Amino acid sequence: EIVLTQSPGTLSLSPGERATLSCRASQSVSSSHVAWYQQTPGQAPRLLIYGISTRATGIPDRFSGSGSGTDFTLTISRLEPEDFAVYFCQQYGGSLTFGGGTKVEIK
Amino acid sequence: QVHLQESGPGLVKPSETLSLTCTVSGGSISSYQWNWIRQTPGKGLEWIGYVYYSGGTKYNPSLKSRVTMSVDTSKNQFSLKLSSVTAADTAVYYCARDQSGYYHFDSWGQGTLVTVSS
Repeated sequence: EIVLTQSPGTLSLSPGERATLSCRASQSVSSSHVAWYQQTPGQAPRLLIYGISTRATGIPDRFSGSGSGTDFTLTISRLEPEDFAVYFCQQYGGSLTFGGGTKVEIK
Repeated sequence: QVHLQESGPGLVKPSETLSLTCTVSGGSISSYQWNWIRQTPGKGLEWIGYVYYSGGTKYNPSLKSRVTMSVDTSKNQFSLKLSSVTAADTAVYYCARDQSGYYHFDSWGQGTLVTVSS
């Protein structure tokens, strides 16, 4: 099973700042099968990015994904108030796993 | 806009079988892969498996021996059964759609909390 490790656990930033979230896989992952989700309290996760860098329908262009192999990054170029949430990466490589999440909180 | 809604008992006794149904509205179930995912504070998000509209299934190897999924296209519903539950199966259970077949989830239900306790 591929283990996904997200860092940092918590990111404290101010609105307007840039957020960079990391996801590292224990083995190389197919680029087609990497996704990112956003979750706010009491809500289901929402798909942000799939195929490493393709934004899901309705996702603003301040969200971008990059990476390859074992290292993947979600970048939020300028944080809006509604972006303060928990973010998860996810992969499928024979079996499907999620990372433990990064919480983006207001500084 | 497709909408997914989980339903089922919120409390299940240890050793019994957890049964949940997901009703799909605003779209047909007769395409795509339909998934179950659960979330706990301790283990985070865990994929349980999917059922294809034709009835084919794929399960998480760690749960495979206890999981059964099925689909009822006439009711636009799909279901999860998890047998021999323990307290470790206490979680929020989500149903979700994989529209692409590339194992990501574009639509989710709101989630339902299932507690395993006597």
